[in-house]
Amino acid sequence: GQNIDQPTEMTATEGAIVQINCTYQTSGFNGLFWYQQHAGEAPTFLSYNVLDGLEEKGRFSSFLSRSKGYSYLLLKELQMKDSASYLCAVGNQAGTALIFGKGTTLSVSS
Amino acid sequence: GAGVSQSPSNKVTEKGKDVELRCDPISGHTALYWYRQSLGQGLEFLIYFQGNSAPDKSGLPSDRFSAERTGGSVSTLTIQRTQQEDSAVYLCASSSGVGTGRTQYFGPGTRLTVL
Repeated sequence: GQNIDQPTEMTATEGAIVQINCTYQTSGFNGLFWYQQHAGEAPTFLSYNVLDGLEEKGRFSSFLSRSKGYSYLLLKELQMKDSASYLCAVGNQAGTALIFGKGTTLSVSS
Repeated sequence: GAGVSQSPSNKVTEKGKDVELRCDPISGHTALYWYRQSLGQGLEFLIYFQGNSAPDKSGLPSDRFSAERTGGSVSTLTIQRTQQEDSAVYLCASSSGVGTGRTQYFGPGTRLTVL
């Protein structure tokens, strides 16, 4: 079966660091993606990991451990505009579809 | 175009009616995907196109759902005899190819409400 788990909600304050975890059990694996989705808007691509380790991109970093079926998205120097849903997704074996978790709603307060 | 566009942005219909949702992918993108997002649920894959053919239709929930793509560009998702459980946001995405690392770029979606 396919299962992707991430926390439903998280809260943090401006300027802080937050880590959003994602665990997955899928029949195939073709990379792990993180998307950001503001309410009522399209998901926008944040990061992609296919090899183990940390990928850093500005304030956002993403980590992958394939042996543990685990990823996290790290957001530094949080800003109010970072309040959004963060979607973890795994590429299926054929690379023809993304399998999404239910998303983590992050609320950033001042 | 600059991004993926979808129309209409909102659609309200009565149970039992047919609806058509349209997607215009990013120019030059050969791969096109349809997903739906129901309240409280993650994005659910429906169908994938490479060019005009659909090698992966595994996510279509029933035979009331169909999709086509013409000219390797515009795609239409059709839902026949709509049911209330079809209410969701239908998202289209496109990518420059398929396989490892191909980023999918999403449109803003069509919010479908079946009364």
